[in-house]
Amino acid sequence: EAQVTQNPRYLITVTGKKLTVTCSQNMNHEYMSWYRQDPGLGLRQIYYSMNVEVTDKGDVPEGYKVSRKEKRNFPLILESPSPNQTSLYFCASNPPRGGSSYNEQFFGPGTRLTVL
Amino acid sequence: QQQVKQSPQSLIVQKGGIPIINCAYENTAFDYFPWYQQFPGKGPALLIAIRPDVSEKKEGRFTISFNKSAKQFSLHIMDSQPGDSATYFCAASIAPRGSTLGRLYFGRGTQLTVWP
Repeated sequence: EAQVTQNPRYLITVTGKKLTVTCSQNMNHEYMSWYRQDPGLGLRQIYYSMNVEVTDKGDVPEGYKVSRKEKRNFPLILESPSPNQTSLYFCASNPPRGGSSYNEQFFGPGTRLTVL
Repeated sequence: QQQVKQSPQSLIVQKGGIPIINCAYENTAFDYFPWYQQFPGKGPALLIAIRPDVSEKKEGRFTISFNKSAKQFSLHIMDSQPGDSATYFCAASIAPRGSTLGRLYFGRGTQLTVWP
């Protein structure tokens, strides 16, 4: 089954304790991205990656890091989480431009993070 | 700066009604306008999309109306059902020259409730 998976789905942590949220897709997509969703603010892009070893900042990158060492994986790293990073996080991937679905982003199920 | 402005933030209709969600944009380089639907506990999923060379696209009970001169587009849901209760996001995409992808800019979302 074609899908984007994220782990963990729920996480409660404390300020300053490094954490990683994993993201994996099995569709051989080149483009992957991370969003955070907050009430009233919609989906805001944190980072995106156009391919292996190619990453760039989105709209709200502060406090986050990413890496893209393999095509299928795109982990999100919070080196020193703070309470304002409490949010619902989504990983997404989409195929390259050219087909009718070139810009359909496939989203993972989300990770709800609480930073105390 | 919000690239895509969406309204209303929430919407309540009776079953059978026709909710309308509106979005506006400024960047005339946008070339793809999708709508995503998100149910509680799930990631967003592509619902319907339109390109600026057409003024309307219909898929089942869902219709996008597009006004290029006004830089506005809207989602209409005909004969709405309680199962349509979800959060709806409009988005816009631009593909820089030479790029194989188009980054998506999302509106802030509309929470739709359809009463039975």
